[in-house]
Amino acid sequence: QVQLKESGPGLVQPSQTLSLTCTVSGFSLMDYSVHWVRQPPGKGLEWMGRMKYDGDTYYNSALKSRLSISRDTSKSQVFLKMNSLQTEDTAIYYCTRALFMDAWGQGASVTVSS
Amino acid sequence: DIVMTQGALPNPVPSGESASITCQSSKSLLHSNGKTYLNWYLQRPGQSPQLLIYWMSTRASGVSDRFSGSGSGTDFTLKISSVEAEDVGVYYCQQFLEYPYTFGAGTKLELK
Repeated sequence: QVQLKESGPGLVQPSQTLSLTCTVSGFSLMDYSVHWVRQPPGKGLEWMGRMKYDGDTYYNSALKSRLSISRDTSKSQVFLKMNSLQTEDTAIYYCTRALFMDAWGQGASVTVSS
Repeated sequence: DIVMTQGALPNPVPSGESASITCQSSKSLLHSNGKTYLNWYLQRPGQSPQLLIYWMSTRASGVSDRFSGSGSGTDFTLKISSVEAEDVGVYYCQQFLEYPYTFGAGTKLELK
């Protein structure tokens, strides 16, 4: 069945770079887009960006200068990198599939703190 | 950016009653292809969001027919008939007409 799973460090120092991996199964990254969405504690959802099935990327302009999304189709993985992290970047980071976001990972909790 | 504004529910909602959640967009989500680019999600406590409705009114696979979506280009409603315990959580509307995709702030449903 379709699965997505986020992985990465739970704690990141301020001003450092966050690196997260989304490993998918049950579908091909060459057939479906993958999006990243984050949710600060007790708050709503923010769309961050997407890796399209053809390799094209698009980023939320609010994060564009700090954000990079890439992939390794042979490993069925999509990567998120975001630099210059601040405390307000503390959130659960989700990867989700396709235009309708019909499948979500369990989320990776990231805390930005010294 | 397209702003999505959600209404509140008169919580708690008695079990078995119906509940309607409203969502308004700052721009029409009706595309020239006739489709409306609006999704609804439910996030149960401690869980990831799950897709309920896409294209404004199409139920996602496995979603109960107690959930229905309707609306126009800028005003939308998610109706839950006969609310059950498993419906508790936060409901989000989301537009995918334009980047950046944007979500409403969420509407919490509590059960009486």
